[in-house]
Amino acid sequence: EAQVTQNPRYLITVTGKKLTVTCSQNMNHEYMSWYRQDPGLGLRQIYYSMNVEVTDKGDVPEGYKVSRKEKRNFPLILESPSPNQTSLYFCASSLGQVNQPQHFGDGTRLSIL
Amino acid sequence: SQQGEEDPQALSIQEGENATMNCSYKTSINNLQWYRQNSGRGLVHLILIRSNEREKHSGRLRVTLDTSKKSSSLLITASRAADTASYFCATPGYSTLTFGKGTMLLVSP
Repeated sequence: EAQVTQNPRYLITVTGKKLTVTCSQNMNHEYMSWYRQDPGLGLRQIYYSMNVEVTDKGDVPEGYKVSRKEKRNFPLILESPSPNQTSLYFCASSLGQVNQPQHFGDGTRLSIL
Repeated sequence: SQQGEEDPQALSIQEGENATMNCSYKTSINNLQWYRQNSGRGLVHLILIRSNEREKHSGRLRVTLDTSKKSSSLLITASRAADTASYFCATPGYSTLTFGKGTMLLVSP
């Protein structure tokens, strides 16, 4: 089944403790991206990747890192999480580039205490 | 960055009625996409309409695009309780996809 898989789905952690949210897609998609969704602010893009080893900042990259060493994986890294990074996070991928339909994961709800 | 803005923010209807949501955006686009999000879940792509298309249908969905007014509408006909969700329009730029804040649709039995 074609899908984007995020892990974990839920995480409660404390300020400053490094964490990684994994994202994997099995559709051989070139484009992958991360979004955060907050009430009243909608979805905002954090980082995106057009292909392996090619990543760039989205609208809200501060406090986040990403890497794209393999085509299928695009982990989101919070080196020193802070409470303002408490949010619902989504990974998405598409064949070709951003103007194609995006396939979303089911989301990761992060709570930073 | 260009952004779609949906209207209304929330819509409550009865099963069997039609639901219309509107989206406005700011700059020229290659295409416009509509997505659905069930509560707390990932977004699901519904339909893509290209800039040279005026109308597109998919099942009970009808999307229109007016590039002169920089607006699009999503019509859901004969709505069902299962259509209860948030609906977003999205406009692609060179490398990023920008979403509006969405319309919350509630369909009551």
